[in-house]
Amino acid sequence: GDSVTQMEGPVTLSEEAFLTINCTYTATGYPSLFWYVQYPGEGLQLLLKATKADDKGSNKGFEATYRKETTSFHLEKGSVQVSDSAVYFCALISSGSARQLTFGSGTQLTVLP
Amino acid sequence: SQTIHQWPATLVQPVGSPLSLECTVEGTSNPNLYWYRQAAGRGLQLLFYSVGIGQISSEVPQNLSASRPQDRQFILSSKKLLLSDSGFYLCAWRGGHTGEYEQYFGPGTRLTVT
Repeated sequence: GDSVTQMEGPVTLSEEAFLTINCTYTATGYPSLFWYVQYPGEGLQLLLKATKADDKGSNKGFEATYRKETTSFHLEKGSVQVSDSAVYFCALISSGSARQLTFGSGTQLTVLP
Repeated sequence: SQTIHQWPATLVQPVGSPLSLECTVEGTSNPNLYWYRQAAGRGLQLLFYSVGIGQISSEVPQNLSASRPQDRQFILSSKKLLLSDSGFYLCAWRGGHTGEYEQYFGPGTRLTVT
């Protein structure tokens, strides 16, 4: 079945540091890929998405490129801020999953001033 | 624009008591609706989803149930809560049209069973 594997957290960075959160997947067909962010005490917000190979999703300075050859969708940001502290979830929808989201386990990011 | 509401925001209930959580969506019609649970420090677990009024699919057998009495209303219920039902409950929706796959989440309900 479909699965998403994220790097284990928690991740702690200093403000303005470079961020990478790794995400790899296993899926049938050609999945759409997503990153969601969850701020403390809140629901999940869609951060960015990519629907086909080599697409790059971007939003709020975050980027992720759909790499079919490595089945990866790593999240990156060049300079993190304290306000980026949150839990980040990688997710996919594939043609073989009845269009249900499959989530990774989440990565806690803490950015220190 | 579309918005999704959940209430209550927080709830503390004793073991064995009933539960009713409500989710409503505005600004769209015939959405697919979802209930997830997030235990402390863990990922999301899909509990139920619905593609239309009265149509409920259960992903995990448990003492919870879901109903969809109206197009944009989704209710999560239990007759008798267990301690293990504690968690953060999230409702989500997505468009029912082909190509609209991303889900949008509500603010969540934090349930503590004591």
